[in-house]
Amino acid sequence: KAGVTQTPRYLIKTRGQQVTLSCSPISGHRSVSWYQQTPGQGLQFLFEYFSETQRNKGNFPGRFSGRQFSNSRSEMNVSTLELGDSALYLCASSPVVFGGEQFFGPGTRLTVL
Amino acid sequence: AQRVTQPEKLLSVFKGAPVELKCNYSYSGSPELFWYVQYSRQRLQLLLRHISRESIKGFTADLNKGETSFHLKKPFAQEEDSAMYYCALAGSGGSNYKLTFGKGTLLTVNP
Repeated sequence: KAGVTQTPRYLIKTRGQQVTLSCSPISGHRSVSWYQQTPGQGLQFLFEYFSETQRNKGNFPGRFSGRQFSNSRSEMNVSTLELGDSALYLCASSPVVFGGEQFFGPGTRLTVL
Repeated sequence: AQRVTQPEKLLSVFKGAPVELKCNYSYSGSPELFWYVQYSRQRLQLLLRHISRESIKGFTADLNKGETSFHLKKPFAQEEDSAMYYCALAGSGGSNYKLTFGKGTLLTVNP
């Protein structure tokens, strides 16, 4: 099976802009989770989607949002970008909701100037 | 609140030496504990989970609820074990279930 794919792999934006990241899970996986990874804070959970519904959410401001489509693909949106949003954004899929075994994608490196 | 602490950012050992990567957690219920690994230029991947009680690539980890620890051990380190290791905790059941990661330990195994 093909692994989790994320597009784009690299992105440069300026403060105030918005950005949309995309994630395609492993075929048959219906859960998609998003994480933010920074040198200072490490890996932090953003949210999890299952069957097009957000099932859980981390402690991030409302500027961070997501959605999941009927084919399980997911998008994450960040509005009004801030310098501190520069990070590696990882997507992970799982065959079940609330599943501890997550299969990670390669990440999208977002740089906010 | 759930928290995972990996006290060592860096750990360096020689090939053939034993290795122990420490992980302590804070959680009021019954947690699920995991170790994830990221080799150079590869994706983050699951190494092992405490409920399976498996030995993967020679690594084992025992959940010690009294000491709230889940240390990862290998008796004889190999150069290919050099990687970033993350301990992770998931709370038990329900909509609060989420993976909380430690900040990671970079293991270097020297020849």
